[in-house]
Amino acid sequence: AQKITQTQPGMFVQEKEAVTLDCTYDTSDQSYGLFWYKQPSSGEMIFLIYQGSYDEQNATEGRYSLNFQKARKSANLVISASQLGDSAMYFCAMREGYNTNAGKSTFGDGTTLTVKP
Amino acid sequence: DGGITQSPKYLFRKEGQNVTLSCEQNLNHDAMYWYRQDPGQGLRLIYYSQIVNDFQKGDIAEGYSVSREKKESFPLTVTSAQKNPTAFYLCASRPTQEGSNQPQHFGDGTRLSIL
Repeated sequence: AQKITQTQPGMFVQEKEAVTLDCTYDTSDQSYGLFWYKQPSSGEMIFLIYQGSYDEQNATEGRYSLNFQKARKSANLVISASQLGDSAMYFCAMREGYNTNAGKSTFGDGTTLTVKP
Repeated sequence: DGGITQSPKYLFRKEGQNVTLSCEQNLNHDAMYWYRQDPGQGLRLIYYSQIVNDFQKGDIAEGYSVSREKKESFPLTVTSAQKNPTAFYLCASRPTQEGSNQPQHFGDGTRLSIL
């Protein structure tokens, strides 16, 4: 069974600094996808970034980048130049079956990020 | 604008009562999902559907039921058998025909409480 572990229940970062949110995963599949979502206090889930298990380069999307270390089964999210609006809960999720449309995802328990002014 | 609409935003259930949460999407997505989120925790999959008239149980299906009679609609019924229904419920959809790298799109959620 697939499992996502986010070991940091809460993180603090100073505005304009970078922060890394940890995510490790466990799967026996060779093909899988990793996603990060942001959940503000209002509750909606916002997609941030995706990394496929066969992607050779780390994914980047604006201020978000993914530090993907396949051998260590980790997919850490890096947020550069933190802004006050980045304060939210962040979830790492994995979908097995890169070439199938099975679609089931497993989510971690999340990390609450607080950006200090 | 395309999106997912969940209603109501807040819902209260009495003892022994079934309640239905609505989820409608106009994104033309084949796959739809229901998740439960307890305070300070991650999302747990209740049910999912990859095509009309077909759905599968997720990890915590007991006490819940769904239907998928139309592509755009995936209502969730919380039955009286679900003894601890107080939670935040999120509906999501995904385009399966464009590959598995597509993220899920989420609604704004429904907060369910027991009276």
